[in-house]
Amino acid sequence: GAVVSQHPSRVICKSGTSVKIECRSLDFQATTMFWYRQFPKKSLMLMATSNEGSKATYEQGVEKDKFLINHASLTLSTLTVTSAHPEDSSFYICSARDGPGQPQHFGDGTRLSIL
Amino acid sequence: QQQVKQSPQSLIVQKGGIPIINCAYENTAFDYFPWYQQFPGKGPALLIAIRPDVSEKKEGRFTISFNKSAKQFSLHIMDSQPGDSATYFCAASRGSSNTGKLIFGQGTTLQVKP
Repeated sequence: GAVVSQHPSRVICKSGTSVKIECRSLDFQATTMFWYRQFPKKSLMLMATSNEGSKATYEQGVEKDKFLINHASLTLSTLTVTSAHPEDSSFYICSARDGPGQPQHFGDGTRLSIL
Repeated sequence: QQQVKQSPQSLIVQKGGIPIINCAYENTAFDYFPWYQQFPGKGPALLIAIRPDVSEKKEGRFTISFNKSAKQFSLHIMDSQPGDSATYFCAASRGSSNTGKLIFGQGTTLQVKP
């Protein structure tokens, strides 16, 4: 149980395009989803927290207009990287939990490469 | 005060050895301490977690030791195998809070030699 699916697993696109990443909880209802960014050989950096039906809460230093997060249903959250540039290239990982006090379960990440 | 400090950064052991990874935290409001295992190109997978009301928790070959007074906790991997080679992250959070934000340690890359 507690499977989180992330799509796509890898995307390569040109500078200036927008990229959408989907995060789905397959066998539970995710009241809260989290989006992380991870640089090579580094730890996970929380970007934002989203509760279903509410606006996302962004961490300090994360541009909300750059990284648009939507959590419209209890099983789906999306991260859109708008007007992506090479410095946005990274490994983006989502996680989800089904309520306070419950563990976070992670997707397998999306490797984003901007040329 | 939000930091979780993890050591060592990397660790090499022989098959059958017992690698130990340590973490320390400052915020006494943390009440949930999970360990995650991450293989290259994959997301972290929850291994085992502990709450501060117990000093030790064991699941299979993985054991967490927790020292509340010292604000430290550690992961022990018994009878380690080459398949355990991965990066391990400790984390801490106020698990019962509405946000449940995880604060991650810096990670430990473990290599288990055959």
